[in-house]
Amino acid sequence: GNSVTQMEGPVTLSEEAFLTINCTYTATGYPSLFWYVQYPGEGLQLLLKATKADDKGSNKGFEATYRKETTSFHLEKGSVQVSDSAVYFCALRGLSGGYQKVTFGIGTKLQVIP
Amino acid sequence: NAGVTQTPKFQVLKTGQSMTLQCAQDMNHNSMYWYRQDPGMGLRLIYYSASEGTTDKGEVPNGYNVSRLNKREFSLRLESAAPSQTSVYFCASMDRPSGYEQYFGPGTRLTVT
Repeated sequence: GNSVTQMEGPVTLSEEAFLTINCTYTATGYPSLFWYVQYPGEGLQLLLKATKADDKGSNKGFEATYRKETTSFHLEKGSVQVSDSAVYFCALRGLSGGYQKVTFGIGTKLQVIP
Repeated sequence: NAGVTQTPKFQVLKTGQSMTLQCAQDMNHNSMYWYRQDPGMGLRLIYYSASEGTTDKGEVPNGYNVSRLNKREFSLRLESAAPSQTSVYFCASMDRPSGYEQYFGPGTRLTVT
């Protein structure tokens, strides 16, 4: 079946540091890939997505590139802010048992300190 | 346009009690989902409904039942709550016109003592 692997963290960075959160996946076919963000006390919301190989998703200074050869979708940001503190989930969507199923990683908690 | 709404936000139950978590979406989505979120486990799918009138089990359905009341509403019922069901529960919906992006509700934090 499909699976997503990411580090749990927490990842602690100083403001303006460079961020990388690794995400690798296992899937059949050609899944779409997503990063969701969860701020404290809230539900998940879509941060960015990529639907085919070599696509780059970007939003709010975050970027991730769909690498089929390495089955990866690593999240990066050049300069993090305190307001980026949240839990980040990598996810993939593909067909499973005839329906569109989303498989999530365990989530990586990011703490940004001033 | 409220998106996905869930009630209640918080609930404390005693072991053996029952309750229903309510979810509604106003985006005309066909597919709806119930997840539970536990530390170190990410999100695990409990049940889903691919369209009105259909429901299917996800990864962790034991101890739960669901009802797809109409296209908007998808409820989750705990018939006899157990401490292992202490968790945060999220409802989500998605559909092809929205690019299969999942839209999540704010969650219900449930504690079973």
